[in-house]
Amino acid sequence: EAQVTQNPRYLITVTGKKLTVTCSQNMNHEYMSWYRQDPGLGLRQIYYSMNVEVTDKGDVPEGYKVSRKEKRNFPLILESPSPNQTSLYFCASSMTVASYEQYFGPGTRLTVT
Amino acid sequence: GESVGLHLPTLSVQEGDNSIINCAYSNSASDYFIWYKQESGKGPQFIIDIRSNMDKRQGQRVTVLLNKTVKHLSLQIAATQPGDSAVYFCAENNAGNMLTFGGGTRLMVKP
Repeated sequence: EAQVTQNPRYLITVTGKKLTVTCSQNMNHEYMSWYRQDPGLGLRQIYYSMNVEVTDKGDVPEGYKVSRKEKRNFPLILESPSPNQTSLYFCASSMTVASYEQYFGPGTRLTVT
Repeated sequence: GESVGLHLPTLSVQEGDNSIINCAYSNSASDYFIWYKQESGKGPQFIIDIRSNMDKRQGQRVTVLLNKTVKHLSLQIAATQPGDSAVYFCAENNAGNMLTFGGGTRLMVKP
């Protein structure tokens, strides 16, 4: 089954404790992206990757890092999480650039206390 | 499951009626537009897209209309069903590598 998976689905952590949210797709997609979804603000793009070893900032990259060492994986790293990073996070992938149909993962609910 | 939890504009329709969801986009240079549906506890799901050189595109029970003069996009759902209840987002791509999403509209279908 073609899908985007994220782990963990739920995470509660404390300020400053490094964490990684994994994202994996099995569709051989070149383009992958991370979004956060907040009440009243909709979906905002954090980082995206056009292909392996190619990443770029989205609208709200501060406080986040990503890597794309393999085509299928695109982890989101929070080196020092803060409460304002409490949000619902979605990973997405598409065949090529954002113009094409994006497949979204199920979401990761992160709470930083 | 996860809820979107947004204070969204809400459209309430009777089952079987047609629904029209509207979206104003911001960038006159945007050349590609997409509608997504997000059900409670799930990630957004692609519905239909349209390029800026088109005014209308039809899918199965859905139609997207694009008015570039007023930068307006609409999604029409024919014979709305309970399974259509969700939050609907429009998104625009301005020839770059990113999508910009609108705030979303919640559609509620009354049986």
